[in-house]
Amino acid sequence: GAVVSQHPSRVICKSGTSVKIECRSLDFQATTMFWYRQFPKQSLMLMATSNEGSKATYEQGVEKDKFLINHASLTLSTLTVTSAHPEDSSFYICSAQRPGLAGGFSYEQYFGPGTRLTVT
Amino acid sequence: QQQVKQSPQSLIVQKGGISIINCAYENTAFDYFPWYQQFPGKGPALLIAIRPDVSEKKEGRFTISFNKSAKQFSLHIMDSQPGDSATYFCAAYNFNKFYFGSGTKLNVKP
Repeated sequence: GAVVSQHPSRVICKSGTSVKIECRSLDFQATTMFWYRQFPKQSLMLMATSNEGSKATYEQGVEKDKFLINHASLTLSTLTVTSAHPEDSSFYICSAQRPGLAGGFSYEQYFGPGTRLTVT
Repeated sequence: QQQVKQSPQSLIVQKGGISIINCAYENTAFDYFPWYQQFPGKGPALLIAIRPDVSEKKEGRFTISFNKSAKQFSLHIMDSQPGDSATYFCAAYNFNKFYFGSGTKLNVKP
């Protein structure tokens, strides 16, 4: 099966500090990775879409200077929350889109287990 | 503007019963419709998905029914079990982006 990991699973940081969250596709090379934010009992909110080697595409209303995304390789994307504030506390989830047969397009998207960020 | 509308918000079903969750969309350019299951504190997991050229897809106890003309699709969980208690999200895909429904919290009573 397709496995996506996230690290850390939980992080508590102080207001004003930066936090980095890693997302890895463990058994496939992801053509595209997505970053979502989820508030309690709510749906997933897409923050940005990233492709390896290119700049991430941010959704409207998401501050690109605050939420830095680096897609370093076909198996790793990182989200850095800079100068975190309590309102940034949330559940952050990444997903990876697996290529289809022979490297072609596939719709299948697999999610990581999520990272619970608490900013104090 | 919500691209994918999901109902009901919550659902209680007796063990062995059928759980039905509905979604509707407006954008006819959507070309892939997945359903995800999410347990508390976990990431969503792909459950089943369908393309618009198919009216129904079944995998085990899970079935997607797709009505292209009505722009609606639904998830049916047959013989619902307490282990199915989770939040379910429908989604639709277009132009490198997934649009999610608001979620349905399913509670299957033993």
